[in-house]
This record gives sequence, structure tokens and C-alpha cells, in this order.
Amino acid sequence: TQLLEQSPQFLSIQEGENLTVYCNSSSVFSSLQWYRQEPGEGPVLLVTVVTGGEVKKLKRLTFQFGDARKDSSLHITAAQPGDTGLYLCAGGFQKLVFGTGTRLLVSP
Amino acid sequence: DAGVIQSPRHEVTEMGQEVTLRCKLISGHNSLFWYRQTMMRGLELLIYFNNNVPIDDSGMPEDRFSAKMPNASFSTLKIQPSEPRDSAVYFCASSPTPSYGYTFGSGTRLTVV
Repeated sequence: TQLLEQSPQFLSIQEGENLTVYCNSSSVFSSLQWYRQEPGEGPVLLVTVVTGGEVKKLKRLTFQFGDARKDSSLHITAAQPGDTGLYLCAGGFQKLVFGTGTRLLVSP
Repeated sequence: DAGVIQSPRHEVTEMGQEVTLRCKLISGHNSLFWYRQTMMRGLELLIYFNNNVPIDDSGMPEDRFSAKMPNASFSTLKIQPSEPRDSAVYFCASSPTPSYGYTFGSGTRLTVV
């Protein structure tokens, strides 16, 4: 069974701070996806990374896929209250396994 | 496109009752996934369909759970009889292909008392 562990579980920061969220596995994934989930809604796809070492940027969000394709990170620069939510990584072929999630709270 | 539509948004039922959750896929999406989310266990895949055919139901907890996809745009998840431990948020998600990014519905929050 492929497992994805995310850290930290919870993160509470002030607006303007930077943060990094990690997603780790002992398994190799052909690709990894990152989702953000807001209260009362389903997860929304942010990005897919497919190549070892790949870096993708989405405005203030930077996603990196590890060289060995077993881990990924999400870095947010100058966090804003609108970034608040549950961040989930997911991987797998044909069916996605979701990570344990990082719950982020950004206070004004 | 209105996205993936789930109904009802909230369901409160008594133990032993039958519960049916509904999901309308995005037009043109061929893969359909049912997930359950709880604080303790996170997002768990229950079952997924490709081109209306169930491919993997290994995540279905027990025989009380069943899922159908009678046509390319609609699916149901049924729990009969329901138990308090079934309380969770149930999501369906669709995708153009199994390996593509998923579009989730807003979920059904089920409470069994």
C-alpha cells in the first residue's frame, strides 16, 4: 500500500510569513498532485508534478518533486488569509491515494 | 459546466435506515471516484468506475455499502443499513481519465444517529 505522510499536521502563521509543507513516501510515484480544501468544500487541484526534480510555480506557491519521485514540497511566500485551508498531496496510478494533510491557518 | 454535483449536501438519519448519496459527473469525464473523509482516517477511496464499469471496490468497508453507475453521467452510493460509524463526509470526484487530475463535488455530510 502506498502511503503519503505530510508534515506538519497543523500550521498557524501570520500574514506575510513564508512556509513549507512536506509530503513524503517510501514508494516511488509516477506523478504527484497537490490539492487545497476549504471548509465545506471538496479538494481543488492546484498542480501536478511529473518529473523528478521538477519545480512548478503558481503565483506565490512553489511546488517541487523530489529527484527520486518519493517526496514533494509546497512553499508559500508571503502567506495571505486566503491561503487558509487543508493542503493535500496525492499520488498513484489510476486511483489516487491522498496524504494525511496539512491544515494551514493564516491570520491577518 | 456546473462541475460535479452531489446531493444531498447534508443527511441526518437514524441507525438502520437506508441512505442513498447521489453524484452527477462532469460531461465527458469517464472516471468516477467515491471517497470518504473523516478526521481520523482522512480521505479514503471507496470505489472507482471507468466507463461506467466498477474497476476497484477494495475500499468499500463491507457489504452494507454498494455503488452503481447506471449511465455515463450519474452514480449512487447506498448504505443499507446505516450505522453511526458511517458518519463522515462522502465525496465523489470525476476525471477525464483515471490518471488525470480529479474534480471533486462539494460532498455530502452524513450523520447517523
